[in-house]
Amino acid sequence: EGQLVETGGGLMQPGGSLRLSCAASGFDVSTKYMSWLRQAPGKGLEWVSVIYRGGSDASTHYADSVEGRFTISRDDSKNTLYLQMNRLRVDDTAVYYCARDMGGWRDASFEAWGHGTLVTVSS
Amino acid sequence: QSVLTQPPSVSGAPGQRVTISCTGSSSNIGASFDVHWYQQLPGTAPKLLIFGNSHRPSGVPDRFSGSKSGTSASLAITGLQAEDEADYYCQSYDSQSDSKVFGTGTKVTVL
Repeated sequence: EGQLVETGGGLMQPGGSLRLSCAASGFDVSTKYMSWLRQAPGKGLEWVSVIYRGGSDASTHYADSVEGRFTISRDDSKNTLYLQMNRLRVDDTAVYYCARDMGGWRDASFEAWGHGTLVTVSS
Repeated sequence: QSVLTQPPSVSGAPGQRVTISCTGSSSNIGASFDVHWYQQLPGTAPKLLIFGNSHRPSGVPDRFSGSKSGTSASLAITGLQAEDEADYYCQSYDSQSDSKVFGTGTKVTVL
């Protein structure tokens, strides 16, 4: 079934940058739709970004709230997913999860989740 | 803000049946996109509970069931147990925003 382990969270100042990593085991991230989601403290879940298709032909898609500031990427040799977060804002504070989509895009559920990593943006 | 609306809380005694509604619109549930449900126990990551409106992943008890009609979906828990105390979220796809969307979340309390 596989496992996902996120790392890289921490305390950042507004306007700063941070890169999250998600190491996968038991399956190849290059063959799956892989997403980042987040959950602000005491709040609900929000989808952030998805990456799909293999190799250099990978496609990406973002929620409006992070478009232009966040970049999702993947290193197939390390079987690892990344989220580069730039121009961080206070409202980016959340636990960030990586997840594996079941199948394609529109009708796919998130079938496997990591444990999450906390990002706090505060001055 | 969440596109799908759920009741903030539901409660029931052990053994009872509870249902959680998830109301969307013509750009998501009403457009025939699938609804999925997640259970989030306190302090843990969400776990897939129901996919494709009514299908249970391996290992999920058959006490959990899902259904969909029109612009709404429902999750039913029969034979409520203390271990079912958690937050539950519905999720679908929204064509207007071209994004995956979640419900507002429902806290289930076992009395």
